[in-house]
Amino acid sequence: DAGITQSPRYKITETGRQVTLMCHQTWSHSYMFWYRQDLGHGLRLIYYSAAADITDKGEVPDGYVVSRSKTENFPLTLESATRSQTSVYFCASSERQWGLFFGSGTQLSVL
Amino acid sequence: KQEVTQIPAALSVPEGENLVLNCSFTDSAIYNLQWFRQDPGKGLTSLLLIQSSQREQTSGRLNASLDKSSGRSTLYIAASQPGDSATYLCAVRDNYGQNFVFGPGTRLSVLP
Repeated sequence: DAGITQSPRYKITETGRQVTLMCHQTWSHSYMFWYRQDLGHGLRLIYYSAAADITDKGEVPDGYVVSRSKTENFPLTLESATRSQTSVYFCASSERQWGLFFGSGTQLSVL
Repeated sequence: KQEVTQIPAALSVPEGENLVLNCSFTDSAIYNLQWFRQDPGKGLTSLLLIQSSQREQTSGRLNASLDKSSGRSTLYIAASQPGDSATYLCAVRDNYGQNFVFGPGTRLSVLP
């Protein structure tokens, strides 16, 4: 299917475990983004990438790691999950002159 | 640092009304502005994209305007319907084209 897909859709994990959220886009967009959405905080940028092998921190990067070895994939890893990382995570992609397109999100619960 | 605000935070209107949602941003050096719709438990759906050189964009019953100099955008919804009930967010892209900053959203309820 064309577009941007995230997996898993739902994830429950325990504190201290490593978790990886996957994001795949079929448009070959240069830019990819990870946001988290929390009540009272809205959408906050975690990391973004302007091209393969180029990543940069957003507003709330602590505790997260990203990589982008291929243009179409942008996985987000929580190295040691904490309860404060319970959230809905959205991946998005864009080209510079176009708008932002979002995936359906991953709902993560850290117990 | 760019900041985006949206007024009102919530709005409830009867079906059929025309309504306006507001988005304000502090730094006028933007690349474009985008309006989104988010239904509960769902992702964000793009509604309209306005480039910095444009004044407005239209799609069906939706019209978005942009006034960069005053740091404002409005989303006009004509003849509202219950299916329009959702949260509406605006986002501005910085002039380097790298990053987007989101407003907190306006939660709209259209009553039958």
